Amino acid sequence: KNEVEQSPQNLTAQEGEFITINCSYSVGISALHWLQQHPGGGIVSLFMLSSGKKKHGRLIATINIQEKHSSLHITASHPRDSAVYICAVGFSTRPGGSQGNLIFGKGTKLSVKP
Amino acid sequence: DGGITQSPKYLFRKEGQNVTLSCEQNLNHDAMYWYRQDPGQGLRLIYYSQIVNDFQKGDIAEGYSVSREKKESFPLTVTSAQKNPTAFYLCASSIRVNTEAFFGQGTRLTVV
Repeated sequence: KNEVEQSPQNLTAQEGEFITINCSYSVGISALHWLQQHPGGGIVSLFMLSSGKKKHGRLIATINIQEKHSSLHITASHPRDSAVYICAVGFSTRPGGSQGNLIFGKGTKLSVKP
Repeated sequence: DGGITQSPKYLFRKEGQNVTLSCEQNLNHDAMYWYRQDPGQGLRLIYYSQIVNDFQKGDIAEGYSVSREKKESFPLTVTSAQKNPTAFYLCASSIRVNTEAFFGQGTRLTVV
């Protein structure tokens, strides 16, 4: 059973396009993280949020607690945005599993063409 | 510069050998984590530590062992009991559990 679902799995965009990546989760959470993984494998934390909206440069993250849904938006996309974007949630309690850790989605592979 | 350092970036081992992956952080974080990433799957938690001298099993701890003798260091040993050890391993740390996590660059382990 996937507790964190991301969509789409793969996304190809033209430079300049507005991009949206979605994340849905199944139970109550303490926080949601958006992460970026480049081809070399290293991961960078983009946002951590538990309510509302956060903005950093061309990146915007929103979360709707009632709908258990978050979106990551990229405005004016650029080829350097090409990466895998990963949603991860921290569950305040997790049935049948470890507590106090993150559950990760499978990632969305974004490719921005010039 | 503060951050997390994993070494080495690439590691090759023969089947049946134990191997230890290094993770060091100078962020003064209490919590540290080890994750495994396989193609087409989300990261999965192997072990985590909330504080020095304490660690807990994650979802896929079998065949792995850890220690947390120092706040800065959380080495992961992949033992010969791990049936499918070839994977990408990521270490992370946070001030405490469920706060923003900082990740290392990963170690790609190949067992031949």
